[in-house]
Amino acid sequence: EIVLTQSPATLSLSPGERATLSCRASQSVSSSLAWYQQKPGQAPRLLIYDASNRATGIPARFSGSGSGTDFTLTISSLEPEDFAVYYCQHCSSWPLTFGGGTKVEIK
Amino acid sequence: EVQLVESGGGLVQPGGSLRLSCAASGFTFRSQAMGWVRQTPGKGLEWVSWISGLSRGGENWSYEDSVKGRFTISRDNFKNTVYLQMNSLRAEDTSRYYCARATSTNYFDLWGQGILVTVSS
Repeated sequence: EIVLTQSPATLSLSPGERATLSCRASQSVSSSLAWYQQKPGQAPRLLIYDASNRATGIPARFSGSGSGTDFTLTISSLEPEDFAVYYCQHCSSWPLTFGGGTKVEIK
Repeated sequence: EVQLVESGGGLVQPGGSLRLSCAASGFTFRSQAMGWVRQTPGKGLEWVSWISGLSRGGENWSYEDSVKGRFTISRDNFKNTVYLQMNSLRAEDTSRYYCARATSTNYFDLWGQGILVTVSS
């Protein structure tokens, strides 16, 4: 099983600041990695797939990068609606696994 | 409207069974792979099961290790519904269960609102 480790667990930032979230895989997943956003009381929403492709309707301030074992989700300038929990997920092999999440909170 | 709506959750005793349903609408259901993902309250996401869409290769399934032999995923392409039959339920199966549409590369691009399953005596 591929373990995804996200860091930091919590990121405290102000609106307008840049957010950089990390996801590290225990073995290579090539570019088979996605990022999701989850707000309280809501289902997750797909943001990024194949490491760097934005899903339909996702604003350009969200970007993904990386390959192999190290991946980054960047939010270039935080909007009030971006404060949420973010998860990475790989689909390189079975079982599919998710990272533990990074909470982006208002400073 | 493109959506997934889960039903069938609730309270069940340890060792009991429950069947979750997920009704899909607004897209060509039969060609889409589907999955179930669960989330323990206040915690992270855990993939549970996956079923392939209609293809020449027939139907395929995959399960997370802790549910193998206890959970069964199935689909009815006439009713546009995917199911999760859960048997021999344990306290640790208590979670909100999300139905999700899987892309061809197994990302989840459409999610239901989730349904709560509580296993307790």
